[in-house]
Amino acid sequence: QQQVKQSPQSLIVQKGGISIINCAYENTAFDYFPWYQQFPGKGPALLIAIRPDVSEKKEGRFTISFNKSAKQFSLHIMDSQPGDSATYFCAASKGFGNEKLTFGTGTRLTIIP
Amino acid sequence: ETGVTQTPRHLVMGMTNKKSLKCEQHLGHNAMYWYKQSAKKPLELMFVYNFKEQTENNSVPSRFSPECPNSSHLFLHLHTLQPEDSALYLCASSPRLGSYNEQFFGPGTRLTVL
Repeated sequence: QQQVKQSPQSLIVQKGGISIINCAYENTAFDYFPWYQQFPGKGPALLIAIRPDVSEKKEGRFTISFNKSAKQFSLHIMDSQPGDSATYFCAASKGFGNEKLTFGTGTRLTIIP
Repeated sequence: ETGVTQTPRHLVMGMTNKKSLKCEQHLGHNAMYWYKQSAKKPLELMFVYNFKEQTENNSVPSRFSPECPNSSHLFLHLHTLQPEDSALYLCASSPRLGSYNEQFFGPGTRLTVL
């Protein structure tokens, strides 16, 4: 099973709040989990990524939490800002390369003042 | 120009037309990819090229024909498309295959098939 299931489809968060996007996967061979951010009219851009040897990775206001036993990972955006409004995609790949990324369906995040 | 560029940004074509999408990367990468992005669907990997050689064809219909003349350029030739082929077509590149390398995406070509 190659799917990566992402939720919610859309999310509205107040400025300063915490945005949380969740993803779940079935294939235990996946060993690389990136998150991509896409603004309107632009292509996706890598935001943050994690390998399953750690349970959490933090870069600034963005944190990935990884639960290997549950086969779930999530993106947390702390102190969410209007500039964070974008579509976020989780992805996963297996083996030694990321050339075959399996993407989630995306979450449209809107940060309101 | 820097990064990954795609032309045209928008394309409207009839089902009997032939057109081509162009992608160019200025990053010195050796791997290039075509993706299809449709609303409410995951990004679908279509083709992968590594050092100009195709390494992946993800069961894409033959009406889509890729071409990679060198590591910096990638084309997607389109002919006799169907309305369901309307989507955003994204090109991406990465330094190489076989390692945890970031894929850099272009802005995409919004294709509408009438």
